[in-house]
Amino acid sequence: EAGVAQSPRYKIIEKRQSVAFWCNPISGHATLYWYQQILGQGPKLLIQFQNNGVVDDSQLPKDRFSAERLKGVDSTLKIQPAKLEDSAVYLCASSPKGQQNTEAFFGQGTRLTVV
Amino acid sequence: SQKIEQNSEALNIQEGKTATLTCNYTNYSPAYLQWYRQDPGRGPVFLLLIRENEKEKRKERLKVTFDTTLKQSLFHITASQPADSATYLCALDMSTTGFQKLVFGTGTRLLVSP
Repeated sequence: EAGVAQSPRYKIIEKRQSVAFWCNPISGHATLYWYQQILGQGPKLLIQFQNNGVVDDSQLPKDRFSAERLKGVDSTLKIQPAKLEDSAVYLCASSPKGQQNTEAFFGQGTRLTVV
Repeated sequence: SQKIEQNSEALNIQEGKTATLTCNYTNYSPAYLQWYRQDPGRGPVFLLLIRENEKEKRKERLKVTFDTTLKQSLFHITASQPADSATYLCALDMSTTGFQKLVFGTGTRLLVSP
């Protein structure tokens, strides 16, 4: 089966610019996660969707970050305006149905560099 | 607040030895815990899941233990190989909504030398 697809793989932008990342989860997976991973750290959960509804966005900096999952499939994460500290890898993951005790399947991530 | 701690320093071992990685957590009582492997430039890959009522779980050369009293999980790789070199992450479900919410530790980098 196809894995989680993310694009682009790399992105370099200047501070105060905008950027968007795209994620296509595994077909049929109801839960979609966006994580931010700063170099040398573990992934930090930004937002979690169950189908097209937000389950948790407690760590999403809502003044600059936004995310949507229209039709409960693909998702887009946007940063506007970007800051230097947003430089990180943005990982998308999905899991079936969202119930507990299930593994999460990750994409390769988008590496963002803000200069 | 909840905290998940893993050794931030890299673990260097020789091929053939057993690697032991630690995951400690505070202020939470998870029903289960997961371990992932992450290679440079890649997303994490699931390895094992252990439930609170399971003291030990094995998969090939991997073994995970879960001590809910100590609030600690140990991850062992026996007969380690250079190909096992990677960063290993533990993750806990810290959901309050009924939907799984995976929160990751900082990860420990393992280097296995020939």
